[in-house]
Formats: sequence, C-alpha cells, structure tokens
Amino acid sequence: DGGITQSPKYLFRKEGQNVTLSCEQNLNHDAMYWYRQDPGQGLRLIYYSQIVNDFQKGDIAEGYSVSREKKESFPLTVTSAQKNPTAFYLCASSITVGVSLTDTQYFGPGTRLTVL
Amino acid sequence: AQKVTQAQTEISVVEKEDVTLDCVYETRDTTYYLFWYKQPPSGELVFLIRRNSFDEQNEISGRYSWNFQKSTSSFNFTITASQVVDSAVYFCALILFTGGFKTIFGAGTRLFVKA
Repeated sequence: DGGITQSPKYLFRKEGQNVTLSCEQNLNHDAMYWYRQDPGQGLRLIYYSQIVNDFQKGDIAEGYSVSREKKESFPLTVTSAQKNPTAFYLCASSITVGVSLTDTQYFGPGTRLTVL
Repeated sequence: AQKVTQAQTEISVVEKEDVTLDCVYETRDTTYYLFWYKQPPSGELVFLIRRNSFDEQNEISGRYSWNFQKSTSSFNFTITASQVVDSAVYFCALILFTGGFKTIFGAGTRLFVKA
C-alpha cells in the first residue's frame, strides 16, 4: 500500500522542549512538504523539499527545522523558539515541485501537537 | 496580493440537497493551479480536483462538479444530492510559482449534512 505515514497521531510536550515529527512516504515522490493548521484556518506552508539534501523555507519557517537525508523521509523539528507550537501538522508529497500536471500534493494523516 | 477566500464558514444542509461551496482567488500571475481538498474528521486531506489557469472547462465527477471562471476569479464546487458522508471541511487552494513556490489555502468551509 503506497502512502504517507505520520507518527504519532497525538504528541504532547512540555514548553521549552524540542520535538521531532515524523513523515515517511513510499510513493517515490521527489517533493515533500510540511504544513501547519490552526483551528478555523487554512494550511500554511512551513518548509518544502524538492529533492534529497535540499529544502526551502515556506511562509512560516521560524522556529522550525527540517532535514531531507532520504527521499522517503522528511522529519520536522519544532524547536523551543517556536512561539506557539500547538497545532495540527500535516505532511504532504508530490511527484515534483513545478508547474506540471504531476504536482498534486497528497497528504498524510497529520500529527496533533500539544505543548503544555 | 495573493489570496483565497472561502466566504462560507459553515453550511448546513439536509441529505439529498444540492450545495455549492464558493472559492474566490486573487493573483496577478497568469499561470497557477487551483485545488479542492476534503478534510474529514480524521484530519487527512483528500485530494478532489486540480485545475490549471489555462483550462476553464468545467468538470463533473459523480455527484461532484466544479465551475471555474477566470472572469470572476472563482472556482466553485457543487455537491449534488448531498449525503451524510460528505460532512467535512472543504479547502480551496492556489499554487503559484512566480517569485518562488507558494501555496495559499482558503480558511475552509465546514459542511454539515444532516440525515
């Protein structure tokens, strides 16, 4: 079964701690993305990666970091510098990043992070 | 400015009614892509449709249909004969590449379909 997995579904952390959210895909997609969703709002792009060992900041990258050491994995670290980290985080992937018919993003199930 | 507006925050209908979800977008780019996604209570976004700015042909897929009109910068989504399983939050999104990759999501419309 091809798809995107995010674990865990729910995550609790104390304020001031860094936390890493997992995202794995077996769709052989080149591009991967991280979004943040707050209640009553649309998704906002945190980071994206077009290819292994490369990633770009999105609209709200401050307080987050990512790595892309493998094609199938794109972990997101929420650092203590992120002022309001409690949110629903969604990972997505697409075949490429670019203006083409293949750029539909497919989403994982999300991780709900609560910082206490 | 680039923006996606979904003016309807919540819509409630009775099963079998038709319902239209509005999406109005703003961009000066001539090349862009529009999407609709469904977010059921489980949280995962489910892809529904993709349209590029050069293709204004309307599309029908089962009970779903989409009306893309560049003249009014709208990309509206209609569900015919709604069902309880259609209850979800629906997002319209705009993807652009001028000046860097950008994705802009609307705030979403929550649809309640009552039996």
